[in-house]
Amino acid sequence: DTGVSQDPRHKITKRGQNVTFRCDPISEHNRLYWYRQTLGQGPEFLTYFQNEAQLEKSRLLSDRFSAERPKGSFSTLEIQRTEQGDSAMYLCASSSFGLAGGNLYNEQFFGPGTRLTVL
Amino acid sequence: AQSVSQHNHHVILSEAASLELGCNYSYGGTVNLFWYVQYPGQHLQLLLKYFSGDPLVKGIKGFEAEFIKSKFSFNLRKPSVQWSDTAEYFCAVSFGTGTASKLTFGTGTRLQVTL
Repeated sequence: DTGVSQDPRHKITKRGQNVTFRCDPISEHNRLYWYRQTLGQGPEFLTYFQNEAQLEKSRLLSDRFSAERPKGSFSTLEIQRTEQGDSAMYLCASSSFGLAGGNLYNEQFFGPGTRLTVL
Repeated sequence: AQSVSQHNHHVILSEAASLELGCNYSYGGTVNLFWYVQYPGQHLQLLLKYFSGDPLVKGIKGFEAEFIKSKFSFNLRKPSVQWSDTAEYFCAVSFGTGTASKLTFGTGTRLQVTL
C-alpha cells in the first residue's frame, strides 16, 4: 500500500498522560499536514511541514502540542498533559505540488487517522 | 476570516434521485477547490478538484462540480445517486496562491441513500 499511513489507529489515554502519533506520508511527497477532526465537524488545520521544516502552525496548536519531521519523511505529533478536550481524530495528509494555469496548487492525500480518546 | 459553508447537514435521497450539495466560501481572491468523500469506516478520499480552467469539473464515480466565481460557490452534483454513495461529503478550499495551501473544510454533509 503506497498511501499515507498512521499509527496507532486508536489511542485511549488518561487525562494528564502524554501521547505520540506517527504519520508516514506517500514517499515522494515533500509536504505533510496535520489536521484535527471532532464529531460533526470538518477537519481543522493544525500544522504543516515542507521537508523537515515546520512552516506554519495554527492557533489550535497549543504549547502542549509539538510536531516534528526530523528527516523530512515520517512525522510525529505529541500531545503532552492530555485533556478531555483533546479527544478527536488526528489526520495526516501529504501532498506534492505543481503549477496549473499560473496557480500553484497541491492535492492532499489523507491517512486513516488516529482516534484519540482522553478519559 | 476565510470560511467554508455547507448548508445541507443531512440529506436523505432515494436511489436514482439527483443530488446537489451546496458549498460556499468567503474570499474574493484565488482559490483551489476540493470535494472529499468519507465512506463509513474509511478515510477521506478526493472526489474532485478545481485549480483553474473549465469551471465544470468532473470527478470519480459520476460526480461533478461547478465553480461559480460570482457566487463564491462550488456545488457538487450527481444526476442519479446509488446506495453506495451513502457517505459524508466535505467541501474544502485552499485560499490564495501562497505555498502553504492548507485546506479549510466545511462541516460536512451526511448523505444517506435509501433503496
